[in-house]
Amino acid sequence: AQSVTQLDSQVPVFEEAPVELRCNYSSSVSVYLFWYVQYPNQGLQLLLKYLSGSTLVKGINGFEAEFNKSQTSFHLRKPSVHISDTAEYFCAVIYHYGGATNKLIFGTGTLLAVQP
Amino acid sequence: DAGVIQSPRHEVTEMGQEVTLRCKPISGHDYLFWYRQTMMRGLELLIYFNNNVPIDDSGMPEDRFSAKMPNASFSTLKIQPSEPRDSAVYFCASTLSSVTGLHEQYFGPGTRLTVT
Repeated sequence: AQSVTQLDSQVPVFEEAPVELRCNYSSSVSVYLFWYVQYPNQGLQLLLKYLSGSTLVKGINGFEAEFNKSQTSFHLRKPSVHISDTAEYFCAVIYHYGGATNKLIFGTGTLLAVQP
Repeated sequence: DAGVIQSPRHEVTEMGQEVTLRCKPISGHDYLFWYRQTMMRGLELLIYFNNNVPIDDSGMPEDRFSAKMPNASFSTLKIQPSEPRDSAVYFCASTLSSVTGLHEQYFGPGTRLTVT
């Protein structure tokens, strides 16, 4: 079955330290990949996306992610986090077949807890 | 653009009452999605529409749930009768399709439903 795995439910990190949030998807077919962020009591906001082209994708707020097809991964990274980055981060995937419509499948989320 | 608009933002109701959640997608978007978010089950896709037509309602939990999209700028999700286990945050999202399929979805702020 098509799925998205975020192994870490919570990642504590100190301010100004680097962070990596892991995401793996289940299939090697063509995919579109996304990272969304959800701040407390708010909706989901798109951080970045991979549709095609360069495997290193840069997003908002200094985040970036790298698409690794051989490892079916799309890990999110930031070299130096801020207190304001504390939020829930969701990895999401669209499995597509020649342009056919497909659902956005979400991971279970990773809570990034930045400590002073 | 005002983004996806949802109302109400908060709803508290008693078990057995009818609840109606409303969504206005981004103008010009041809897909609309309803999601439910709970601590136990994470983000679940309930139903989605394309050009106002329901495409996949396999995520709708029970017959108590129904969704309509009478026109391109308005959709409702109705629960009748409501039960305490329906308590969750309900999100609406919209997107514009392209020749390569669906890409990122834009989420509304959500409706926090509490059924007592």
